[in-house]
Amino acid sequence: GENVEQHPSTLSVQEGDSAVIKCTYSDSASNYFPWYKQELGKGPQLIIDIRSNVGEKKDQRIAVTLNKTAKHFSLHITETQPEDSAVYFCAASIDSGYSTLTFGKGTMLLVSP
Amino acid sequence: GAVVSQHPSRVICKSGTSVKIECRSLDFQATTMFWYRQFPKQSLMLMATSNEGSKATYEQGVEKDKFLINHASLTLSTLTVTSAHPEDSSFYICSASPPMGGTEAFFGQGTRLTVV
Repeated sequence: GENVEQHPSTLSVQEGDSAVIKCTYSDSASNYFPWYKQELGKGPQLIIDIRSNVGEKKDQRIAVTLNKTAKHFSLHITETQPEDSAVYFCAASIDSGYSTLTFGKGTMLLVSP
Repeated sequence: GAVVSQHPSRVICKSGTSVKIECRSLDFQATTMFWYRQFPKQSLMLMATSNEGSKATYEQGVEKDKFLINHASLTLSTLTVTSAHPEDSSFYICSASPPMGGTEAFFGQGTRLTVV
């Protein structure tokens, strides 16, 4: 089955800096890669996703890049703000019907003012 | 994005009792919903896939008689933790995908279960 590795497990940055979280996956058949933000005591919230037919996707301060050959994808947050502090999860799945998501272990991002 | 509502957000129950958690898709019909369990500072662990009108599919190691899932309508799935014990205390989260949205999944707010 699919295995998703996520690094780092914790990341501390100063407000205004950029933050990068990286994930690798094992199943070459995976073609859908979402990122979720989870605040304390809440469910995960989809913040951005990418499918394997593109290499990069951007939404304001958030971007995701995908390298299908190397089987890794990354989340980039620019101009970080304290409200970006949360746990971020990457996931991978096959975009076909209701294929299940395989999650990384999560990255706790702390943005200091 | 689509809205998935989960209720209750917190519940405390006594050992040996049963607790029901509801997951509703508010603005779309979901033939399939997923139930996850999350321990503190850990990732989401898929427990089961809930299928409308048929039996749920459980992941290996998940007791189907303990975690009863009922997907009685296209907008509602329920998870019942039967004869709860303190080790069942956890954060339970459901997700659902809009029918035309492919694999894009939206999560409920989660339910913090504490068994005392």
